[in-house]
Amino acid sequence: GAGVSQTPSNKVTEKGKYVELRCDPISGHTALYWYRQSLGQGPEFLIYFQGTGAADDSGLPNDRFFAVRPEGSVSTLKIQRTERGDSAVYLCASSPIQGAADTQYFGPGTRLTVL
Amino acid sequence: ILNVEQSPQSLHVQEGDSTNFTCSFPSSNFYALHWYRWETAKSPEALFVMTLNGDEKKKGRISATLNTKEGYSYLYIKGSQPEDSATYLCAWGTYKYIFGTGTRLKVLA
Repeated sequence: GAGVSQTPSNKVTEKGKYVELRCDPISGHTALYWYRQSLGQGPEFLIYFQGTGAADDSGLPNDRFFAVRPEGSVSTLKIQRTERGDSAVYLCASSPIQGAADTQYFGPGTRLTVL
Repeated sequence: ILNVEQSPQSLHVQEGDSTNFTCSFPSSNFYALHWYRWETAKSPEALFVMTLNGDEKKKGRISATLNTKEGYSYLYIKGSQPEDSATYLCAWGTYKYIFGTGTRLKVLA
């Protein structure tokens, strides 16, 4: 079946602009996660959704970052007033349920470059 | 601060060589340890989920072991092939994965 998809694959924007990154999880997966990988680092947790609600947004770096999942499927990560430090690969993952031993299935990521 | 470390950071091996990498994680409050393979421009691919001390898992030429008491996991690749070239990531924790920085493997033909 189809895996997790993310669009766009690449996004170049200017400092101060607004961007939206989209994630289509595997059909039927109730849990959805966003991570960010900065250069030279491992992916870092941003936010976790169970259904439509954000169950844990403790990884969002500041209030310029916001994510939604209005119908419990597709999710959008929104970044306002982008800064050069926001440049990274943004990864989305989904899993059937939430649990430590449940595998998270990742999309290919969106590479965001802020000039 | 909870930290997951991987070593080496990168390595080059010849086709046919066997190799192994290490993932170190906090030994207290163990939940699960995940291994992923990430090829450039593709999605990270799940290799193993390890939950029990002493776990040993195998998938083709790749295998992994787990020691939760001392806080480490090894990933082994037997007879490396060029298609094994990728970054290998380990992740520890609950739903909120804490990743290592990965081991970048390059297999030379």
